[in-house]
Order: sequence, then structure tokens, then C-alpha cells
Amino acid sequence: GQNIDQPTEMTATEGAIVQINCTYQTSGFNGLFWYQQHAGEAPTFLSYNVLDGLEEKGRFSSFLSRSKGYSYLLLKELQMKDSASYLCAVRSGSNDYKLSFGAGTTVTVRA
Amino acid sequence: GAVVSQHPSWVICKSGTSVKIECRSLDFQATTMFWYRQFPKQSLMLMATSNEGSKATYEQGVEKDKFLINHASLTLSTLTVTSAHPEDSSFYICSARLPGYEQYFGPGTRLTVT
Repeated sequence: GQNIDQPTEMTATEGAIVQINCTYQTSGFNGLFWYQQHAGEAPTFLSYNVLDGLEEKGRFSSFLSRSKGYSYLLLKELQMKDSASYLCAVRSGSNDYKLSFGAGTTVTVRA
Repeated sequence: GAVVSQHPSWVICKSGTSVKIECRSLDFQATTMFWYRQFPKQSLMLMATSNEGSKATYEQGVEKDKFLINHASLTLSTLTVTSAHPEDSSFYICSARLPGYEQYFGPGTRLTVT
């Protein structure tokens, strides 16, 4: 099975940087995803890592270390609209490519 | 990007009745669709994996006779909650997988059972 851990809540100031950590234990690792979810809405895709290293996409970056079972999502130049839940999800390397989600980290951006 | 729709977006039903939720991939053919359930302030929990033309694979603890899944075509999967009870009230989200790419999520269906 999967065991995915991430902090429950984080608060940061507008314009600042926040790093959301995610640790996982899984068999057949085949990629890690980060999703953003606003309350009452479906998750939207932010990033995907399958190899070690940093993936940068605008204000958002994601890092993966497979040997450590660790990833982080870095949000730069925080904006009020970034207040949301951020979900770490791990894909297992089976034919159906299932995703297992962490409990999510609620980020609150304050002025 | 790929678009996935769900219908209805919200539904209220009485205890004991059945509710059908549709998930459609609008601009691509999805060989695999997934159904998730999300309770308030909790993460998504995978309920089942649906492959076109075959029986769905249910996760441990999910009653296959209560949550009926039909994947009749490459663009449509349906979830029917049979004999719904208040504890089935939740946010149901489907996703469709484009081969070689990530899952694309539908907008979700809010089910309230009274």
C-alpha cells in the first residue's frame, strides 16, 4: 500500500515563499504529482516528477528525491488566490496507473 | 488541455433511492476512468478503477454492489449509488486517463442524501 504524509496546514504572507513537503512509502513508484484544490472544486494539475531533481513552472516548482521518498512543492511570490489545499499524489507502476493521495496541505495566504 | 465533465454537479436525494452520476471525457478517448470520494476536509479516496468494456476494479472496503460502475464507451463512465444513505453524502470526483499522460479530473458531483 501507499503511505503519503504532508503537513495539515501552513500559513504565509502575500509575496512570500512557502514549501510544502511530502514523504511517501510505496512499491512500484512511477511518478509523483502535485495538485491544487480550491474548496468544493476538483483538483487541478500543478506538476509531475518521475526523475530526481527540480521541475520549475512559473511560480511553482517541485522537487523529487526517489531514494529518500521525498518531494516538495515550492510556491513563490504568493498571491491571495494561492490559498487552497495542495495534494501530493503518488502513482504506482501498474497497468491502471492509480493515484494515491496524501491528506492535503491547506495553505492560507494572508495580506 | 483534456476536458472531463460530470453530471449532475450536485444532487439531493432521499434515503433509499439510487443516484446515477455520469463522467465524460469530452475531447479524448479514455481507456481508464477513476472514481474518487472526498469527505469534507479530507483527501480524495480512490473508490474504483473503470476500464472500458470490462468490470470495474474496486478498492478494499468499497462495496461493489452498492456503487455500481459502468464504463460503456471510451468517453463515458457512470457511477450509480444504490440505496443511498446519509453517510453516502460526499463529493464524488471522476478522472480520466489519457494514455501516456496524467489523469484529468472532472468538476465533481456533490451528493446529499436526506
